[in-house]
Amino acid sequence: AQSVTQLDSQVPVFEEAPVELRCNYSSSVSVYLFWYVQYPNQGLQLLLKYLSGSTLVKGINGFEAEFNKSQTSFHLRKPSVHISDTAEYFCAVNLPFTGGGNKLTFGTGTQLKVEL
Amino acid sequence: GAVVSQHPSRVICKSGTSVKIECRSLDFQATTMFWYRQFPKQSLMLMATSNEGSKATYEQGVEKDKFLINHASLTLSTLTVTSAHPEDSSFYICSADSKAYNEQFFGPGTRLTVL
Repeated sequence: AQSVTQLDSQVPVFEEAPVELRCNYSSSVSVYLFWYVQYPNQGLQLLLKYLSGSTLVKGINGFEAEFNKSQTSFHLRKPSVHISDTAEYFCAVNLPFTGGGNKLTFGTGTQLKVEL
Repeated sequence: GAVVSQHPSRVICKSGTSVKIECRSLDFQATTMFWYRQFPKQSLMLMATSNEGSKATYEQGVEKDKFLINHASLTLSTLTVTSAHPEDSSFYICSADSKAYNEQFFGPGTRLTVL
């Protein structure tokens, strides 16, 4: 079975500082990896995804993540955060299932709080 | 990217009534849609996988008779919470699986409050 671990439930950071949100996964098969952002009372918005190819993935809003197969990690980074980045961030992995679809397993989420 | 809508965005109902939530993929066809439930400050919990033209597959612990799912077309899935009770109050989110993009596109969510 696959699982996703987000060790940090909350990450406070000052505006314009860099941030890293950690994500580790376990799976016996190759997976696709995703980072989503959720603002209060809204659905999920995709920040970036890793399917294959280059291990450094660039996403929207200046975020990037690096897939590290040996460490089974997919940490999310941003070199300089803004107040508007305050939100909940979820890491997810997919598992292909019968029928050709993709079923997601989510981490528990990390609350990023950007302070002035 | 593709767009998924949910309706209603917010609903308040009395205990014992049933509530239907619609999930639509607006610009692509989705043979598979997913229904999630999210409690405050928690992650998304997958409730069921909705497959067009066939019965939904429910996750362990989810009552299929209480959470009825219908996926009658390639662009519409509905979740009906039957005989709702206050403990069913939650944020319900749907997603539509896009094989073309190898990702799920999420709806904006429905806040259900049962009085």
